Amino acid sequence: DIQMTQSPASLSASVGETVTITCRASGNIHNYLAWYQQKQGKSPQLLVYNAKTLADGVPSRFSGSGSGTQYSLKINSLQPEDFGSYYCQHFWSNSWTFGGGTKLEIK
Amino acid sequence: DVQLQESGPGLVKPSQSLSLTCTVTGYSITSDYAWNWIRQFPGNKLEWMAYISYSGNTSYNPSLKSRISITRNTSKNQFFLQLNSVTTEDTATYYCARRRHAMDYWGQGTSVTVSS
Repeated sequence: DIQMTQSPASLSASVGETVTITCRASGNIHNYLAWYQQKQGKSPQLLVYNAKTLADGVPSRFSGSGSGTQYSLKINSLQPEDFGSYYCQHFWSNSWTFGGGTKLEIK
Repeated sequence: DVQLQESGPGLVKPSQSLSLTCTVTGYSITSDYAWNWIRQFPGNKLEWMAYISYSGNTSYNPSLKSRISITRNTSKNQFFLQLNSVTTEDTATYYCARRRHAMDYWGQGTSVTVSS
């Protein structure tokens, strides 16, 4: 099975800053990688799929990149509504594992 | 609009079976895509559990394969999760979700506690 290592586990940033979250896969996942945002008490919401394609309605300050085993989610000019938890998930092979999550907090 | 809603008991005794229903509105589960169960443990780790495709094919997380089953009722546009021989380690919030390129629609989740 492919494992996803996500970093950092937590991140403190201010409104207006730019942050980057990374996921490293234990094997090549061929860009089959998604990113989700989760607010407290809510279900995850899709942000990015196929490593770099924004889901419908997602602001352009979010961007995904990467290939092979290394992937990143970048958030430009953080807004108050961006704080919460972020997860990656791969869709290669037969077990679609998630990263451990990144909790993004207000500084 | 596509909506998914989980339902089922919130409390299950150890060694018993956990059974959940996902009711889908706004899209037929036989039209396309894969229909999934995902759970989130206390501490927030997410685990993909299984899917049933629009054609009825199934796939399971290998770590659960011996005790999990996903089925559907196409006339009611529902799909189901059964997890056997539960332990306290199965305490989690259970979500159903649709996968197109990724999980694009999720239910609100249902909390299940395994306890005697």
